[in-house]
Amino acid sequence: DQQVKQNSPSLSVQEGRISILNCDYTNSMFDYFLWYKKYPAEGPTFLISISSIKDKNEDGRFTVFLNKSAKHLSLHIVPSQPGDSAVYFCAATLRGTGKLIFGQGTTLQVKP
Amino acid sequence: DVKVTQSSRYLVKRTGEKVFLECVQDMDHENMFWYRQDPGLGLRLIYFSYDVKMKEKGDIPEGYSVSREKKERFSLILESASTNQTSMYLCASVTGGARVPEAFFGQGTRLTVV
Repeated sequence: DQQVKQNSPSLSVQEGRISILNCDYTNSMFDYFLWYKKYPAEGPTFLISISSIKDKNEDGRFTVFLNKSAKHLSLHIVPSQPGDSAVYFCAATLRGTGKLIFGQGTTLQVKP
Repeated sequence: DVKVTQSSRYLVKRTGEKVFLECVQDMDHENMFWYRQDPGLGLRLIYFSYDVKMKEKGDIPEGYSVSREKKERFSLILESASTNQTSMYLCASVTGGARVPEAFFGQGTRLTVV
């Protein structure tokens, strides 16, 4: 049973526009949500996180929004750059266990 | 600078072989994880460890075991490799305690079982 879901396998946007990556979850016991970026043949790298008690966190071009009632979070990248082209993973930590669970990933392509 | 090192980038093993994948971190983290990445399936958790000699099964532990004899080292063992274990394996070390969790990954090991 997939507790963290990224239902869009891919997304293509034009350079300079906004990229919105979505993630849904099913477990109310998640206490942190994180976004990771992965290039081919490399390990994922941390982008941004949000606590379950917040609804927004911003870091430069990256903003994560959390809607707890809908069990949904999104990552906004503004403006998108060609170097942002990568696979983006949503992840969540299970309260009290430290268990870190990932979604399936979304491949973002930013076209020049 | 934070470092998680996996012993091999690429491995080719034969069906039935016992395979060891090693991961070392230099951040004194309690929590370490092993994932495999497959197209369309994302990162699936195999096993994790929250302390020396402590381990927990993840979502797909069948066919795997782990060892954590020292805090800095977390090993993944394929008892008898099979072709369906051909995958990219990723090790992560995660901050714990009161800090916001952040996972640091190794570069990955691409394992091919023939």
